[in-house]
Amino acid sequence: GAVVSQHPSWVICKSGTSVKIECRSLDFQATTMFWYRQFPKQSLMLMATSNEGSKATYEQGVEKDKFLINHASLTLSTLTVTSAHPEDSSFYICSASPGGVSYNEQFFGPGTRLTVL
Amino acid sequence: GQNIDQPTEMTATEGAIVQINCTYQTSGFNGLFWYQQHAGEAPTFLSYNVLDGLEEKGRFSSFLSRSKGYSYLLLKELQMKDSASYLCAVVDSNYQLIWGAGTKLIIKP
Repeated sequence: GAVVSQHPSWVICKSGTSVKIECRSLDFQATTMFWYRQFPKQSLMLMATSNEGSKATYEQGVEKDKFLINHASLTLSTLTVTSAHPEDSSFYICSASPGGVSYNEQFFGPGTRLTVL
Repeated sequence: GQNIDQPTEMTATEGAIVQINCTYQTSGFNGLFWYQQHAGEAPTFLSYNVLDGLEEKGRFSSFLSRSKGYSYLLLKELQMKDSASYLCAVVDSNYQLIWGAGTKLIIKP
């Protein structure tokens, strides 16, 4: 149980285009979903936290107009990188949590490797 | 500020035992996670400690001392497949997950 999928697993795009990454919890309802970015040889960096049906909470330094997050249902969250540039090339990982009052374990998706040419 | 410290890199021999330490200073504490991350892959859950003491799960054990702000991950009977980064993460008083930079573990035959 507790499987999270991401699609696509990798994407290559031209500079200036937008890329959408989907994150799905396959066998549980995810009240909260998290989006991370990880550059080579660095730790995970939390970009934003999204709760179903409400606006995402972005971490300091993350441009909300550039990284659009939609958490439309309890099993799906999307991250859209708008007008992508080479510096946005990174490994994007989502995680999902069943949520509740107290903290629950985060279940990670397999990640999406974005390369912007 | 909030801070998680763990060694950047460690090297160990196949079949041996290695201990990866993690010290933390956070605003509140609601548990500590250890994750394993192989290169190019997403993290996978190893352990969660919220009370003091040692929790053993197969070849892996995790220890927590809340008074010392300290945890360690103990890996026994090391295998080559254990070569990975090990991430320590603490849940703070706002139930936010604070991540360490990770410890890259290199296993040599």
